Amino acid sequence: SAVISQKPSRDICQRGTSLTIQCQVDSQVTMMFWYRQQPGQSLTLIATANQGSEATYESGFVIDKFPISRPNLTFSTLTVSNMSPEDSSIYLCSVEGVRQDGQETQYFGPGTRLLVL
Amino acid sequence: AQKVTQAQTEISVVEKEDVTLDCVYETRDTTYYLFWYKQPPSGELVFLIRRNSFDEQNEISGRYSWNFQKSTSSFNFTITASQVVDSAVYFCALQDSNYQLIWGAGTKLIIKP
Repeated sequence: SAVISQKPSRDICQRGTSLTIQCQVDSQVTMMFWYRQQPGQSLTLIATANQGSEATYESGFVIDKFPISRPNLTFSTLTVSNMSPEDSSIYLCSVEGVRQDGQETQYFGPGTRLLVL
Repeated sequence: AQKVTQAQTEISVVEKEDVTLDCVYETRDTTYYLFWYKQPPSGELVFLIRRNSFDEQNEISGRYSWNFQKSTSSFNFTITASQVVDSAVYFCALQDSNYQLIWGAGTKLIIKP
């Protein structure tokens, strides 16, 4: 199993500023994923972050807007740059893992709730 | 293209009724995985099940059951004898060969006492 923590849990930011979200996992994992969930919507994958390589971004997301770091196998950061109100969302990180019952799954962090004014 | 469709935006039932949440998917992969997650009002994502594309056996876990039909590309979720605590948004998701999850839009389930 994997326990994921995220910091901050929530923040209110002014437009034009940047916020860095941290994701810490209690075990070493190869792949980490960053998702965005806009209000009342489903999850959208932003990027896949592998340790030792550049993050792979999904269509509609670019590195200049959402730079990601992956310095080691237990940690990653996502920065939301030059924020606008449209960036108000929940940002979640996730990892692949194996549950105690043997089922593989994707574990999710508790999310970072971002409100941009 | 990979796609997950949850046609039911919102379902409202009275406690103790059975309710089925539909999920239809599209994929060209022969190996894939299907998930259901629950997102209660608190916002965390709660894993419910992961199903391998080669395993079409139906799954039952307490009041929860899942019906996987490859012939119709569906992976429906039934809650028997629903309870107020089952109220949440339920997401169906498809995992591709890159371990990325493609999410349905979610179904908001309201259980009235």
